[in-house]
Amino acid sequence: LAKTTQPISMDSYEGQEVNITCSHNNIATNDYITWYQQFPSQGPRFIIQGYKTKVTNEVASLFIPADRKSSTLSLPRVSLSDTAVYYCLVGPVNTGFQKLVFGTGTRLLVSP
Amino acid sequence: GAVVSQHPSRVICKSGTSVKIECRSLDFQATTMFWYRQFPKKSLMLMATSNEGSKATYEQGVEKDKFLINHASLTLSTLTVTSAHPEDSSFYICSARAGQQGSGNTIYFGEGSWLTVV
Repeated sequence: LAKTTQPISMDSYEGQEVNITCSHNNIATNDYITWYQQFPSQGPRFIIQGYKTKVTNEVASLFIPADRKSSTLSLPRVSLSDTAVYYCLVGPVNTGFQKLVFGTGTRLLVSP
Repeated sequence: GAVVSQHPSRVICKSGTSVKIECRSLDFQATTMFWYRQFPKKSLMLMATSNEGSKATYEQGVEKDKFLINHASLTLSTLTVTSAHPEDSSFYICSARAGQQGSGNTIYFGEGSWLTVV
């Protein structure tokens, strides 16, 4: 399983755009990149998943360069409620099972 | 999206007793579920992979006789902490993969269960 590296923490203010970058130099051909958000005392919540280029949904965008050795989660106009830990995970997505191993995650603090 | 439910959300038990935590996939079938534990301000640590109809696969360092996992149906996996001790107090989280019938090949997590052993 590809190892991921993220910043331990980030600070932002309400209304700003936040970009969290994850490095995964050993990503395999059949690996997908998935981001999760976790609030204290809750299970992780799926945010977005992608394989290459750009993926956008109602809450975030995921940018993946051509070499796929990194990815950037972009949160537009964050609010206080976006304060959470964000995990980047890399693993195969196929007809078999997918075992996710969590790294340290990025603790995002959004201030007024 | 797909929903995974855990029960109970919080449980307190006496040292030496056993406690069972349930994990259900509510709107999809999950042949594989995963169990994690998490200490405060730490990341999730994978404990075991639960396979429907077969034995669970445990990660290195996890005692299979202490953390019993049963995956009796396509929508239910249980984790039983046997002879619990205070050091077993932790946040336990399960997850399940939603296959093609669900929301794509994505893993969804339960709400987590706080276990306190006194």
